[in-house]
This record gives sequence, C-alpha cells and structure tokens, in this order.
Amino acid sequence: DAGVIQSPRHEVTEMGQEVTLRCKPISGHDYLFWYRQTMMRGLELLIYFNNNVPIDDSGMPEDRFSAKMPNASFSTLKIQPSEPRDSAVYFCASSSWTHYNEQFFGPGTRLTVL
Amino acid sequence: AQSVTQLGSHVSVSEGALVLLRCNYSSSVPPYLFWYVQYPNQGLQLLLKYTTGATLVKGINGFEAEFKKSETSFHLTKPSAHMSDAAEYFCAVSTSNTGNQFYFGTGTSLTVIP
Repeated sequence: DAGVIQSPRHEVTEMGQEVTLRCKPISGHDYLFWYRQTMMRGLELLIYFNNNVPIDDSGMPEDRFSAKMPNASFSTLKIQPSEPRDSAVYFCASSSWTHYNEQFFGPGTRLTVL
Repeated sequence: AQSVTQLGSHVSVSEGALVLLRCNYSSSVPPYLFWYVQYPNQGLQLLLKYTTGATLVKGINGFEAEFKKSETSFHLTKPSAHMSDAAEYFCAVSTSNTGNQFYFGTGTSLTVIP
C-alpha cells in the first residue's frame, strides 16, 4: 500500500490567494482527518470525516477554511482567501476500526503564505 | 472526556543513556494508547500502541511502553539512546466511543547529546 498521499508537498502563495490541499487516504479506511501543525499551537485537529461525511469540524479556524470528501479516496482542504497566519504544515491521516483506531499520517503539506 | 498530558516539552539525554518520556491520560472508558514519532520535516510515524492484552508493549527502534491503569500512565522508554532517536514524540489516546478521534499530547522534543 502506498500509504496516505498528500499533494502538494510544498506550497508558497501570496496573501489573498486560494489554496487547495489534497489527500488520498489508504484504501479501505473509513475515517479521514485533517490536522494543522505550527510551532505556536502544536498539532491541531481541524476536521474529520467518517464514510465521506464530516463528523466534527469544530477545529476549523474560520469560514475561510473548508473541507470536502467527495468520495472514499479523495479529500480537499481549501483556504480562501489565505493569510500569512495560515502558514503551517497540514497533515492528512486515515484510520479504520480494524486497526484499533490507529491513524496513518501522510507526509504533510508545508504551506507558506507571503 | 479524553485528554493526554506529556510532562516535559523538552528532554535531553546522553547517547547510551535511558530514555524516559512521560505520558498520562484521562479517559472514562478503556483507552487505546499510542506513541508517535516525528522526525524533522516528516509526518508522524507510529512507534507502538496499546489496545488490549499485554500491558507492556514493544515498538520499533527498541522503544517500549507500559500501560498502567492504576496510574493512568503510558510512559515511553528505551534502555539506550541513539543519536538517531532525536525527534518529537507524541502520545495519543483514543477510545471505542470517540469515533476514531485521537487526543494528542503537546509533544516532547528529545535531544540526544553525543
């Protein structure tokens, strides 16, 4: 298995631009999580899905952030408009009950907003 | 509600010395417990996990952890530190009734001194 795949690995954009981060979970996993990691705030859960349905989005910082999961093999996290304070590493993870909730993390997307 | 406390945000040990990273959890139901490691500029990688059964769990790279219910602890140890162990370590708890959601600790940065 290829593991969780995220793209792009690095993104540099200017303030005000739209940013879209992509994630492909491990096949067969029915949970998908989006996290943000910064030096100041550590690892934060933004939103998670079960069977493509958003379950808890209370961690989404504000309306500029949105996430979708149109099918079991693809999810996006969109920031529109982006701001410098959104600069962080964004991780996607997936899991399944059959693995006792163990989450498998992708390599992350390092976002820099200038 | 579930929560995780990692004592010591930074730990330094000499090469060859014992590594001890502390993790205490709070859970109203039997927990699943995890230790993840994050090397610089990489995603989180599972070190070991406790789900059921034997309370002493062995993981990769010589690490192990013991689930102590009476102390609500899941401390991570390694008998002899290696330079390659320098990384950020995260403890996490999940339960069967939290929808596969993880509650992560704030992380402990391990430095190994030659």
